Amino acid sequence: GEDVEQSLFLSVREGDSSVINCTYTDSSSTYLYWYKQEPGAGLQLLTYIFSNMDMKQDQRLTVLLNKKDKHLSLRIADTQTGDSAIYFCAETSGGNSGGSNYKLTFGKGTLLTVNP
Amino acid sequence: ETGVTQSPTHLIKTRGQQVTLRCSSQSGHNTVSWYQQALGQGPQFIFQYYREEENGRGNFPPRFSGLQFPNYSSELNVNALELDDSALYLCASTAGPLNTEAFFGQGTRLTVV
Repeated sequence: GEDVEQSLFLSVREGDSSVINCTYTDSSSTYLYWYKQEPGAGLQLLTYIFSNMDMKQDQRLTVLLNKKDKHLSLRIADTQTGDSAIYFCAETSGGNSGGSNYKLTFGKGTLLTVNP
Repeated sequence: ETGVTQSPTHLIKTRGQQVTLRCSSQSGHNTVSWYQQALGQGPQFIFQYYREEENGRGNFPPRFSGLQFPNYSSELNVNALELDDSALYLCASTAGPLNTEAFFGQGTRLTVV
C-alpha cells in the first residue's frame, strides 16, 4: 500500500534555509505535492512535481525528487516567520476509474518553526 | 485563498447523531474529494465525486456517504456519529479526477461529544 513519511519537527532561524524531507513507498506515484497548513486553516497547495522530473524551482521554493530512493524534499530559501506552519508531503495513487489518479495520500506533516 | 467554500465552519454533535457537511467547489471544477484530518495527523481520503457519482473511496465505513449536485457542490453525510469522528473535514476540488491541482477549503471542525 501507499505510505508517506515525514520528520515531525523542524526549527530554523529567520533568514536561513529550511529543508523538509519526505519518503514515500508507492513506486507508481505520478505526482508529488507539498501543501502548507497554518493553524486552524485548510491546506494551501505550494507546489508539485511530476515523477519524471528531478527538480522544480518556484521563487523561494525548490523541490528535489530522487525517484530511485523515493525521496522528496522541499527547500525554502530565506525562511521568514510567516513560513511557520505545518508542511505536508502528498502523492497521488492510481484509482479505479480508467486509471485516473483520484486520491492524495498525505504524510503526518512537518511542523516548521521559524525563530526570529 | 481558494474558491472552495465549506459550511459550517464549526459543529458540535452528540454521539449517535447524524451530520451533513457542505462544500462548494471552485468555479470550473467538476470533481470534489473529501478528507478527514484528525488532530496531529495528515488528511485521510474519504471519497471523491465526479459527475455526480462516487469515483473512489478510502477506508471509511458505509455510514460515511456523500452526494454531488449538478452544480458540482457536494455534501458529506455521517450517520451514527462516534467520538472518533471528531476531526477537521476538508473538501478539495479539481478540474477533473486527476488531482494535478487540488484546492482545499478551510474545513469544517466537527466535535462529537
